[in-house]
Amino acid sequence: GAVVSQHPSWVICKSGTSVKIECRSLDFQATTMFWYRQFPKQSLMLMATSNEGSKATYEQGVEKDKFLINHASLTLSTLTVTSAHPEDSSFYICSATRRTGGSQPQHFGDGTRLSIL
Amino acid sequence: QQQVKQSPQSLIVQKGGISIINCAYENTAFDYFPWYQQFPGKGPALLIAIRPDVSEKKEGRFTISFNKSAKQFSLHIMDSQPGDSATYFCAPQGGSEKLVFGKGTKLTVNP
Repeated sequence: GAVVSQHPSWVICKSGTSVKIECRSLDFQATTMFWYRQFPKQSLMLMATSNEGSKATYEQGVEKDKFLINHASLTLSTLTVTSAHPEDSSFYICSATRRTGGSQPQHFGDGTRLSIL
Repeated sequence: QQQVKQSPQSLIVQKGGISIINCAYENTAFDYFPWYQQFPGKGPALLIAIRPDVSEKKEGRFTISFNKSAKQFSLHIMDSQPGDSATYFCAPQGGSEKLVFGKGTKLTVNP
């Protein structure tokens, strides 16, 4: 099956630090990638949709200057949490689809657990 | 407005039993009905999915039943195993690439 790799899997850093998370599709070209946030025992919350070569589309309430998304190639999207604070601590998960348009299966990475001290 | 209602929130089943999780939706534009399985500390993985042109799909021990008129679909896990213990999400999709996640069902299968 399709493989999506996310790195790092776990990061701990001090408040005020910026953290970059990478999401790679290893065996297919992902025209669209998604970034989610998940709090303990809760469902996934979509943060933004990332299309290769264009600006990301953010969901309502998500600060685009706080969560910078870059989708520079068909196999890589990055999420940078700028000037992270303890309230940004969460489980961040990316997903990717092979094709654009309509309803397509999403393939998820294994997530990045971010802890801000 | 909650577009997707998933139930139950948690489920405990004995090994060998049948696990049933339900998902009700409101948006008639949905045209893809997947179930995702998530283990602790991992991302969700697509378990099984159905399109609205069929009413049932079976893959091994996992079956999706789809009722278009009732706007509901369910996941049945036959012969449930301890290794099936995970959180399950329905996440219908339609009209766009976005998934609309249910709140999840934590399944525990006791040995």
